[in-house]
Amino acid sequence: GQNIDQPTEMTATEGAIVQINCTYQTSGFNGLFWYQQHAGEAPTFLSYNVLDGLEEKGRFSSFLSRSKGYSYLLLKELQMKDSASYLCAVMDSNYQLIWGAGTKLIIKP
Amino acid sequence: ETGVTQTPRHLVMGMTNKKSLKCEQHLGHNAMYWYKQSAKKPLELMFVYSLEERVENNSVPSRFSPECPNSSHLFLHLHTLQPEDSALYLCASSQEWQIEGGETQYFGPGTRLLVL
Repeated sequence: GQNIDQPTEMTATEGAIVQINCTYQTSGFNGLFWYQQHAGEAPTFLSYNVLDGLEEKGRFSSFLSRSKGYSYLLLKELQMKDSASYLCAVMDSNYQLIWGAGTKLIIKP
Repeated sequence: ETGVTQTPRHLVMGMTNKKSLKCEQHLGHNAMYWYKQSAKKPLELMFVYSLEERVENNSVPSRFSPECPNSSHLFLHLHTLQPEDSALYLCASSQEWQIEGGETQYFGPGTRLLVL
């Protein structure tokens, strides 16, 4: 079967750095997405990786290793507004998105 | 504001009621999706429409009935639901369906459904 694993919950301190990991086993691979979802709101797109390596976008970076079936989302200079759930999703060989259950990130002052 | 709106935002219904969820996208996209989001579970894809034709139906019970009258509107008709159907129902759209290149989906804020 297809599976996406990510931690259920993480806690970090304002101003610090946090890394949210995602491992996947899917039928084929056509890219990996990260979405952010604040409580009671729509998921919003953060990043897309299809080649190995690091993609940087401001305070957020996303890394992909296709050989290891592994990605991480790196958040720097954490702000209180970064408290949200972070969803990892992989597009399989049929271009279907397979979703993880999300990681709830709690930021403490 | 993602360009995708959903109404109502909250809905409480009994198991014998009939209700409908509405989604509208203002992005000129050709594909629209219904997802179910339950606490601590992955998003479950329910239905996909491409150019107003249903292209995916992932073993969803018949008590959920989608309708796509045009490329901007999507409905989910609900009847004789069960308490386990209580969840957040998310609508999304993308420019196209099943296309290479990291087609991004844009989500609405969801309808929080409680079935009593």
